[in-house]
Amino acid sequence: AQSVTQLDSQVPVFEEAPVELRCNYSSSVSVYLFWYVQYPNQGLQLLLKYLSGSTLVKGINGFEAEFNKSQTSFHLRKPSVHISDTAEYFCAVSVYNTDKLIFGTGTRLQVFP
Amino acid sequence: GAVVSQHPSRVICKSGTSVKIECRSLDFQATTMFWYRQFPKQSLMLMATSNEGSKATYEQGVEKDKFLINHASLTLSTLTVTSAHPEDSSFYICSARDFQGSSGNTIYFGEGSWLTVV
Repeated sequence: AQSVTQLDSQVPVFEEAPVELRCNYSSSVSVYLFWYVQYPNQGLQLLLKYLSGSTLVKGINGFEAEFNKSQTSFHLRKPSVHISDTAEYFCAVSVYNTDKLIFGTGTRLQVFP
Repeated sequence: GAVVSQHPSRVICKSGTSVKIECRSLDFQATTMFWYRQFPKQSLMLMATSNEGSKATYEQGVEKDKFLINHASLTLSTLTVTSAHPEDSSFYICSARDFQGSSGNTIYFGEGSWLTVV
């Protein structure tokens, strides 16, 4: 079985500061990795995904994530956040060749002016 | 780009009644769709996999007789919450994958549907 751990339930940060949202996963088989963002009262929007190839993945809105197989991590980073980045961020995995997503518990990113 | 749409976005129903939520893939055909529920300030939990033309596959602990799923066409899956109770109040989200899209392995989510049972 697969599982996803997002250790930080909330991350407060000031505008223009860098941020890292942590994600660790557990799986005995190969997985795909995803980060989704959820704005208040909305569905989920894909930020980025790792399927194969380069371990550094760039996504939308200036976010990037790095897949580290030895540490089973897929941390999300942004060098300079904006107020508009305030949202809930979910890390997720899916087993190779399936569409079922296993989500972490989410991290609430709160950007302050 | 590929879009998944849900309807209604918000619904309030009386306890004991049934309510139907639709999930449509607007620009692509989806043989498989997924239904999730999300309790306030919690993560998304997969409820079931909706398969076009066949029975849905439910996750452990999800009552199939309570959460009826019908995937009658390649662009529509419906979730019916039967005999709804206040504890069924939640945010329900569907997803689907566009197999033929340029993005490949991208799963698209609907906007979600807020169900409130009073």
